[in-house]
Amino acid sequence: QQQVKQSPQSLIVQKGGISIINCAYENTAFDYFPWYQQFPGKGPALLIAIRPDVSEKKEGRFTISFNKSAKQFSLHIMDSQPGDSATYFCAASGSGTSYGKLTFGQGTILTVHP
Amino acid sequence: DVKVTQSSRYLVKRTGEKVFLECVQDMDHENMFWYRQDPGLGLRLIYFSYDVKMKEKGDIPEGYSVSREKKERFSLILESASTNQTSMYLCASTSYHSPNYGYTFGSGTRLTVV
Repeated sequence: QQQVKQSPQSLIVQKGGISIINCAYENTAFDYFPWYQQFPGKGPALLIAIRPDVSEKKEGRFTISFNKSAKQFSLHIMDSQPGDSATYFCAASGSGTSYGKLTFGQGTILTVHP
Repeated sequence: DVKVTQSSRYLVKRTGEKVFLECVQDMDHENMFWYRQDPGLGLRLIYFSYDVKMKEKGDIPEGYSVSREKKERFSLILESASTNQTSMYLCASTSYHSPNYGYTFGSGTRLTVV
């Protein structure tokens, strides 16, 4: 049972373009939505996160958009760069779940061509 | 620099062997997690621990067990390795006091069972 569904599975973008990755969740108890970035040979690292009291959060070229009624959230990477090429995971957890346990999406492999 | 260290980057084991994957963190984190990462399936939680000697099953605990005798060390045990346990295994830790419950991941152990 996949409680967080992520799409697309892979994405190819030209340098300078906008990368968009989407996630949908089922559990209405989720109240924390982070995105993780993973480079080859490394573990995932926290990129940006949002809580449902806001609809958007921006950090540099990375923006999370959140739609509580639709139970969807997305990551936008503006001015995508070859160095952004990585695997991206969305995730979710709830205050009712144990000890910060995260449920992850399936992952998106992003390739940014120069 | 804070770290989560996984003892092996690559392991090759035979079917039926008992396998130990070790994880050590130096951040005095209370919570530790074991995930497996498979293409198209994302990260799936195997077990987690919120205190010494405490453990809870994740979403896919079958065929695995864990041990946490010291706060900094969390071991994943494959009681009798099978080929369907060939995967990338990721350890993570977090603290109640971490901003946004951010996970710190290790670099992973790629296990091949032959």
